Amino acid sequence: QTVVTQEPSFSVSPGGTVTLTCGLSSGSVSTSYYPSWYQQTPGQAPRTLIYNTNTRSSGVPDRFSGSILGDKAALTITGAHTDDESDYYCVLYMRSGVSVFGGGTKLTVL
Amino acid sequence: QVHLVQSGSEVRKPGASVRVSCKASGYTFTDNFMHWVRQAPGQGLEWMGRFNPNSGGTNFAQKFQDRVTMTRDTSISTAYIYLSSLRSDDTAVYYCARETNNWAAPYYFDYWGQGTLVTVSS
Repeated sequence: QTVVTQEPSFSVSPGGTVTLTCGLSSGSVSTSYYPSWYQQTPGQAPRTLIYNTNTRSSGVPDRFSGSILGDKAALTITGAHTDDESDYYCVLYMRSGVSVFGGGTKLTVL
Repeated sequence: QVHLVQSGSEVRKPGASVRVSCKASGYTFTDNFMHWVRQAPGQGLEWMGRFNPNSGGTNFAQKFQDRVTMTRDTSISTAYIYLSSLRSDDTAVYYCARETNNWAAPYYFDYWGQGTLVTVSS
């Protein structure tokens, strides 16, 4: 069974830059997995940030960007704000209609 | 404007079944796949399955294939998920999420319901 891996936690200083990654237990992530990224704060539904590897969803600030770095999908926050403190999830499309979430990264901004 | 409005919280005993609804508005219901995602308390998001409101076709995560049914009522633009033989570890918030129909940039969730808490407890 395919497992999508994310760092469990990360910390960044306000104004700093952080890159969260999304990998596979076996194999490399490519654009063919159509990686997408979601932000979730406690008690709220997820919010769509990035889709199709690197396209920002409507209204998402340009400090959020997506890419492929090596064998993983990546979400980079450049100039982190304190309100970016959230959980971040990636999703990979595995074909045949199946999607898989990563375990999520808890981002602390302090 | 697209909205997905889910039904209210539910409490069930182990072994029972539950149905959660997701009423769509602001778009043509049959034009987009609908996904179901759940989140146990303090845990991450878990993809359960995808439903085609046009054909009724489904795709499931392997662990849910035997206990989950997804259906719809197109006359009221509502999708449903049924979970049977409930266990305590099914306690979670259940979300519906619409999949984009943008074939140039596919396979992501562009709108989410507000979530429905299902509590399984004796």
